[in-house]
Amino acid sequence: EIVLTQSPGTLSLSPGERATLSCRTSQSVSSSYLAWYQQKPGQAPRLLIYGASSRATGIPDRFSGSGSGTDFTLTISRLEPEDFAVYYCQQYGSSRYTFGQGTKLEIK
Amino acid sequence: EVQLVESGGGLVQPGGSLRLSCAASGFTFSAYWMHWVRQAPGKGLVWVSRINGDGSSTNYADSVKGRFTISRDNAKNTLYLQVNSLRAEDTAVYYCARELYGDYGNDYWGQGTLVTVSS
Repeated sequence: EIVLTQSPGTLSLSPGERATLSCRTSQSVSSSYLAWYQQKPGQAPRLLIYGASSRATGIPDRFSGSGSGTDFTLTISRLEPEDFAVYYCQQYGSSRYTFGQGTKLEIK
Repeated sequence: EVQLVESGGGLVQPGGSLRLSCAASGFTFSAYWMHWVRQAPGKGLVWVSRINGDGSSTNYADSVKGRFTISRDNAKNTLYLQVNSLRAEDTAVYYCARELYGDYGNDYWGQGTLVTVSS
């Protein structure tokens, strides 16, 4: 089973700053199979990025994804107040999906 | 508008069973893979299972294989998860989610239904 490790566990930043979130996989995965989600308290997750770098419908362009192989990154170029949430990466492989443990993005 | 509405959660004793449902609307249900994902209180997301459009192919996480069964009724636009032999560690909010068409990831999610396993 592929394990996804997200870092940091918690990221403390201020609105307007740039956020860089990391997702490392225990073995190489196709970029096509890597997605990112945002989840706010009491809400269902929201798809942000799929295929490692494609923004989902309605997602602002301050969100971008990159990476390949075992290292993937979600970047939020300029943080808005509504961006403070928990972020998860997800991968597909061997007919199953797995999620990372999440990164909490909190207001500094 | 795409909508996914889960139901069927509740309090159940260890060893018990429940059937979760997810009513879908606003899209051609039979064309999409559908998933169940769960989240224990205060914890992260855990993928549980998925099923293809006509119900002929299913996949499960190792933690639920043999105890949970995913199914669908395309005539009723409804997804199901039969959960048996429940354990305390199955306590979670269970979400149904639609898989992207032709890609990987879940683009629409329901609001979730809470399953609590306790004596």
